[in-house]
Amino acid sequence: DIQMTQSPSTLSASVGDKVTITCRASQSISRWLAWYQQKPGKAPKLLIYDVSSLESGVPSRFSGSASGTEFTLTISSLQPDDFATYYCQQFNTYLYTFGQGTKLEIK
Amino acid sequence: EVQLLESGGGLVQPGGSLRLSCAASGFTFSSYAMSWVRQAPGKGLEWVSSIASSGRNTYYADSVKGRFTISRDNSKNTLYFQMNSLRGEDTAVYYCAKDGTSAVKPAALDYWGQGTLVTVSS
Repeated sequence: DIQMTQSPSTLSASVGDKVTITCRASQSISRWLAWYQQKPGKAPKLLIYDVSSLESGVPSRFSGSASGTEFTLTISSLQPDDFATYYCQQFNTYLYTFGQGTKLEIK
Repeated sequence: EVQLLESGGGLVQPGGSLRLSCAASGFTFSSYAMSWVRQAPGKGLEWVSSIASSGRNTYYADSVKGRFTISRDNSKNTLYFQMNSLRGEDTAVYYCAKDGTSAVKPAALDYWGQGTLVTVSS
């Protein structure tokens, strides 16, 4: 099975900051990676799919990139609504796997 | 508007069974693969199972293989999850989720239900 290693597990930042979250796959997954945002008590929300394609309605301050098996979610200028937990997910095969999550906290 | 509404969760004793349902609306249900993803209290997301649009192909995480069965009724726009031999570690919120493409390949999950809580405890 493909393992997804996400870091950091917790990130403290301030409104207006630029932040980066990283996910590393244990083997090649081509471009089959997505990012989700989850707020307490709510279902996850798809932000980005296929490494860098923004889901409809998602603000352009969110972006994704890749270098080999390392994937990055960047939020260019944090807004109050962005403080949440973020997960990466690979869908190279139907045996999907998620990263462990990154909790983005207000500094 | 796409809607996914899970039901069937509750409290069950270890070794017991439960069947979850997910009623879908707002899209052509029979064209999309569907998945179940769970989240234990205070923990991260864990994919547990997927089913192709036709229902012919099913996929399971090792943690539930042989105990849980995913199925669908395309005539009723409903996804099911039969859970047998339940264990304490199966305690979680269970979400159904829709694949983001009707193409016959794995995809990101673009719509999720609100989740249903399954608690396994004596």
